[in-house]
Amino acid sequence: AQKVTQAQTEISVVEKEDVTLDCVYETRDTTYYLFWYKQPPSGELVFLIRRNSFDEQNEISGRYSWNFQKSTSSFNFTITASQVVDSAVYFCALSEALITGGGNKLTFGTGTQLKVEL
Amino acid sequence: EPEVTQTPSHQVTQMGQEVILRCVPISNHLYFYWYRQILGQKVEFLVSFYNNEISEKSEIFDDQFSVERPDGSNFTLKIRSTKLEDSAMYFCASQSGYSYEQYFGPGTRLTVT
Repeated sequence: AQKVTQAQTEISVVEKEDVTLDCVYETRDTTYYLFWYKQPPSGELVFLIRRNSFDEQNEISGRYSWNFQKSTSSFNFTITASQVVDSAVYFCALSEALITGGGNKLTFGTGTQLKVEL
Repeated sequence: EPEVTQTPSHQVTQMGQEVILRCVPISNHLYFYWYRQILGQKVEFLVSFYNNEISEKSEIFDDQFSVERPDGSNFTLKIRSTKLEDSAMYFCASQSGYSYEQYFGPGTRLTVT
């Protein structure tokens, strides 16, 4: 069974601080995909990034960066120089490889509420 | 930019009533999903749909639930006899045939009284 753990339920930072959101996953699949989604106060789910299990290269996109470490089953997300607009709930999710004739359901973590204050 | 749309944004219904939640996935996407999120909790998978049939469903998706893609553009979730515990935000998502990203709609908040 797949499982995603986000141990941090809530993090508060002051604007311009860096913040890292932790994600630990469990799966028996050898090929899988990891995702981060953002849920702002308006409620929609916004796709941020996908990583493949066979590609451990870290990725940077503007102020966002992701650290994927297969050895520790972690896929952490760092926001550099946080801004008030970053305030949201962030979900880490896991899916197995695409099922033949089907899709690939996402297993979500419980989310981390990030509050960025002035 | 193409997006997934959902209607209504908020639905209030009485216990025991039937509700239909509607979604228009991104055009040319092949895989469709419903998820739900009880207030303050995590997002949970309900069902996936491909090639006009259910490909996978969760334990939550019991006989009270059904999905349909009636006309090639809409994707609907029907709850036959709603219960108080069905109150949640319901998200529709779609996915293309060549990538693994699922794009979510804005959600329908269902309130069962």
